[in-house]
Amino acid sequence: RKEVEQDPGPFNVPEGATVAFNCTYSNSASQSFFWYRQDCRKEPKLLMSVYSSGNEDGRFTAQLNRASQYISLLIRDSKLSDSATYLCVPCGYSSASKIIFGSGTRLSIRP
Amino acid sequence: TAGITQAPTSQILAAGRSMTLRCTQDMRHNAMYWYRQDLGLGLRLIHYSNTAGTTGKGEVPDGYSVSRANTDDFPLTLASAVPSQTSVYFCASSEGGDTDTQYFGPGTRLTVL
Repeated sequence: RKEVEQDPGPFNVPEGATVAFNCTYSNSASQSFFWYRQDCRKEPKLLMSVYSSGNEDGRFTAQLNRASQYISLLIRDSKLSDSATYLCVPCGYSSASKIIFGSGTRLSIRP
Repeated sequence: TAGITQAPTSQILAAGRSMTLRCTQDMRHNAMYWYRQDLGLGLRLIHYSNTAGTTGKGEVPDGYSVSRANTDDFPLTLASAVPSQTSVYFCASSEGGDTDTQYFGPGTRLTVL
């Protein structure tokens, strides 16, 4: 099993829809988790951090399931500007050498 | 503030040549990182530095070297470039360790022919 797995997509959904995708991780020692957003040919930027069971920020909700070792990202009322690739990364091993990014889920919002 | 900058923006390099990718941050972050991003493989950590004067190997360190003489700068050197090093290189920094948010530079697109 890969250390971090994401469905590469693309998820193609209409504007206004709700979309969710998961990220599974293999290292049970992961303590914190991040979702980054990356636009085409741009650098990743932090979207949300998750330190406990979940986090909500406006239309975005991240949930953590430690028992099943996955984190999910839910986007409600999707906008055209949400089109991007979403990367997840589990962290907290006390060693930067163990940072493993997921390869990303591509989301495309259509009018 | 500028945040984190990288230079050059892009470069075409002949195989066998050496090159240094520059990265500078003005946020006084302790930790800095170099990643490469290839289609379908996501971001892979090359080297990192937890604080000035220390460096460590990431997932794919072979063919690359780094130095961290001060807090702000973290150059990445390819001593003898090979075509498989064609990639987009991102530098990042974080205030503390790997549990902190990373801030990424705009990237350097490198093509090795």
